[in-house]
Order: sequence, then structure tokens, then C-alpha cells
Amino acid sequence: DSGVTQTPKHLITATGQRVTLRCSPRSGDLSVYWYQQSLDQGLQFLIQYYNGEERAKGNILERFSAQQFPDLHSELNLSSLELGDSALYFCASPRDTHNEQYFGPGTRLTVT
Amino acid sequence: AQSVTQLGSHVSVSEGALVLLRCNYSSSVPPYLFWYVQYPNQGLQLLLKYTTGATLVKGINGFEAEFKKSETSFHLTKPSAHMSDAAEYFCAVTRTDSSYKLIFGSGTRLLVRP
Repeated sequence: DSGVTQTPKHLITATGQRVTLRCSPRSGDLSVYWYQQSLDQGLQFLIQYYNGEERAKGNILERFSAQQFPDLHSELNLSSLELGDSALYFCASPRDTHNEQYFGPGTRLTVT
Repeated sequence: AQSVTQLGSHVSVSEGALVLLRCNYSSSVPPYLFWYVQYPNQGLQLLLKYTTGATLVKGINGFEAEFKKSETSFHLTKPSAHMSDAAEYFCAVTRTDSSYKLIFGSGTRLLVRP
């Protein structure tokens, strides 16, 4: 158990809809990373938050946004969903200064 | 820009045989290197990491990897494969001067034959 929690585990929705994915990092970790795993793109970094502020951005679509709240949990918002957004979405939080990242179980999003 | 190349999208070995999964990286600064394993319908689990110091690193489940700067490689090995090792393995690199975001290779699926 990595200590990183994600909800929901599965999400099925229709094109054009909006969903919110939730992540709680390990206790005491200030940083949250979001990754997308899809058949087309593989595993790619989306965005990082540190103590409530955006720290780095990767290949994140404009339709996607994220935030980190004072209690350090993070939400990834995906809007105007397309079939190609179907993927596994992981969040991760780092341990110690070498930043080995520990991953949550993921949310599997299916857009129909 | 950093990148990771994993040679072989599928590797098949017999139970008890040597496991060798290849990873080459590209980085303009000293990298941190990682191997993660993903079992079906599960998240990513850290197998091992290289940061600094000893270039041969040992991880969980009997796996080890050697950082070879001259070859820009970080291949993963295990002397004797078990059926339970069947999974997908990802090599990843992160820069030490940025946000520490992970750049992943495309993954290698390990099949273990009885």
C-alpha cells in the first residue's frame, strides 16, 4: 500500500461531460503529481502541485485542470470529454529528497 | 529534452531463466533513474532507483539494475524468473534540476513461461 488514495476507482461517462478525479497524497507529502496512462500515449506527466500551488505542467490539455486544496488533496477536472480521454489516471506523491514517487491505484476513465 | 527508450515491448522467458529488460536514457544533466512494475489492473510499484553513489542497485523481489553512464543505460535484471514476475515494467528518468516529474519509457511486458 503506497498510502496514496484515489477515488473513484472506475468512472464511465459520455462524451461532452465533465468529471472530477480525486487524490489524497501520503500523510505529510506536500506534492502531488498527475499522470495519464493511455494505449496511444503511454504514461505521461500531466501536472504537479506543491503545497497548493502549480509547480510544473506537462502535456495537459486545456480542457483539463487541477487544483490542490489546503488539506493537500488534489482534484483533476476533465471537461468536454472525448473518446480519446479514456485512460487510467494516476496521482503520485514523493518520498524524501530523491523524489521517488509513490503511485495511487488509479482511476480508470471510460468515455462512451 | 529527456527521454527513455525501452527495447522490446514484449519479452518472454522460461521460469527460472535470466530476466533482462533494457532501458536507455537521454539526459543533459545527471539523472535519477527508476524502474516501476505494473501488475494487471493495478497501479505502479517502485522496484528500485538510482540516484547517486553505487551504480549497481538492488530492489525488491530479487531485481537489480546497473547504471552505466558511458552507455546511458539502466538495464533491469533478475537471475531467475518466477511466474509471479509476469507484469509490465517501466523505466523512468527524472531530472535533478526541475520539478522531478517522471518521464517514462513505453514499457516492456514480461511473459514467464512455465
